[in-house]
Amino acid sequence: KNEVEQSPQNLTAQEGEFITINCSYSVGISALHWLQQHPGGGIVSLFMLSSGKKKHGRLIATINIQEKHSSLHITASHPRDSAVYICAVLTGNQFYFGTGTSLTVIP
Amino acid sequence: DTAVSQTPKYLVTQMGNDKSIKCEQNLGHDTMYWYKQDSKKFLKIMFSYNNKELIINETVPNRFSPKSPDKAHLNLHINSLELGDSAVYFCASSQVNGLQETQYFGPGTRLLVL
Repeated sequence: KNEVEQSPQNLTAQEGEFITINCSYSVGISALHWLQQHPGGGIVSLFMLSSGKKKHGRLIATINIQEKHSSLHITASHPRDSAVYICAVLTGNQFYFGTGTSLTVIP
Repeated sequence: DTAVSQTPKYLVTQMGNDKSIKCEQNLGHDTMYWYKQDSKKFLKIMFSYNNKELIINETVPNRFSPKSPDKAHLNLHINSLELGDSAVYFCASSQVNGLQETQYFGPGTRLLVL
């Protein structure tokens, strides 16, 4: 069993829809990252969370430390949001990564 | 200017060869990482290097050796390449302030071992 589980694995949405990607983890963490990987392979760090909630533009990330769960929300989704979203947790000096959620937003 | 750069972008080589991938960051960060992304898109950390200390992931074969000539560079040398080493390798750097950390990734090096 992976230390980090993401759901769903694949997600197709219509442009404008509200999207939620979930991440659950089983280890004690000091921080959780949400990463975005575009089809060309480049990776961008979206958020680093240790508690609460962060917002950047149309992206919102939340974390519940007690429940060991984080969500990434995308409001008013757009085709350019199509990418793989990866959840990663940091425990000590070790990162554990989820397998990613492949998002396709259809115009 | 690119914050984290990797060379080469593509690398095709024969099994058994020795090759190096270079990574440079101009952000002044103290911490650098090497990640491997395999064909199933799993992203796994290989090494992290923080100024004074290299932290090695025990699952990485000792054919892989990171070398850091200075704080801005963390190169990855691979000996006796195997078919299973084919993957995309990402370098990243970060600056940690308490619990605040943002990682900046390089564009990746696509390695194909034939």
